Amino acid sequence: AQSVSQHNHHVILSEAASLELGCNYSYGGTVNLFWYVQYPGQHLQLLLKYFSGDPLVKGIKGFEAEFIKSKFSFNLRKPSVQWSDTAEYFCAVKIMAAGNKLTFGGGTRVLVKP
Amino acid sequence: DAGVTQSPTHLIKTRGQQVTLRCSPISGHKSVSWYQQVLGQGPQFIFQYYEKEERGRGNFPDRFSARQFPNYSSELNVNALLLGDSALYLCASSLGSGMEQYFGPGTRLTVT
Repeated sequence: AQSVSQHNHHVILSEAASLELGCNYSYGGTVNLFWYVQYPGQHLQLLLKYFSGDPLVKGIKGFEAEFIKSKFSFNLRKPSVQWSDTAEYFCAVKIMAAGNKLTFGGGTRVLVKP
Repeated sequence: DAGVTQSPTHLIKTRGQQVTLRCSPISGHKSVSWYQQVLGQGPQFIFQYYEKEERGRGNFPDRFSARQFPNYSSELNVNALLLGDSALYLCASSLGSGMEQYFGPGTRLTVT
């Protein structure tokens, strides 16, 4: 069965620092990749997605992620974080031909200090 | 435009009871998926329905069941509740099977 690993459970940063969150998955076939964000008191929102093509994808709010197929990774980055980026971030993988089933990582709680 | 809506927002039940959770997808979306999110973990896939048919099922016991109605809304039923069923239950809708999913706010179920 496929699995998704997010190596950092908690990250604490100061405003303007750069952010990188790791995500690795275990599945050798074709996948779609997603990063979702859950702000305090809000529901899961899609940050960005990769289906095919350019492995560097840009999402909302200045986030980007890079798909490295050889490393089974889809790391999330933001060059300069703001206090409003405080949230929990989830990486998710969908196997092609597996309907809508998303397999999520355990999440990374990010706290940005003003 | 209204997003995915779920009801109720919160629910408290006793062990052994049964519960029904409801979800209304975004207008035009024909697929609904259900996820369970236990505190401190990522969401886990329970079911997907598309055009009123079950299209996928996660690793959950038969106590969990669901259905989709002609208007594409959906219900998730859980029988014989256990303490371990306490979680946030999320509904996600998409235009079709395999397409981008949009999540609702969830129903917080507490089993005592």
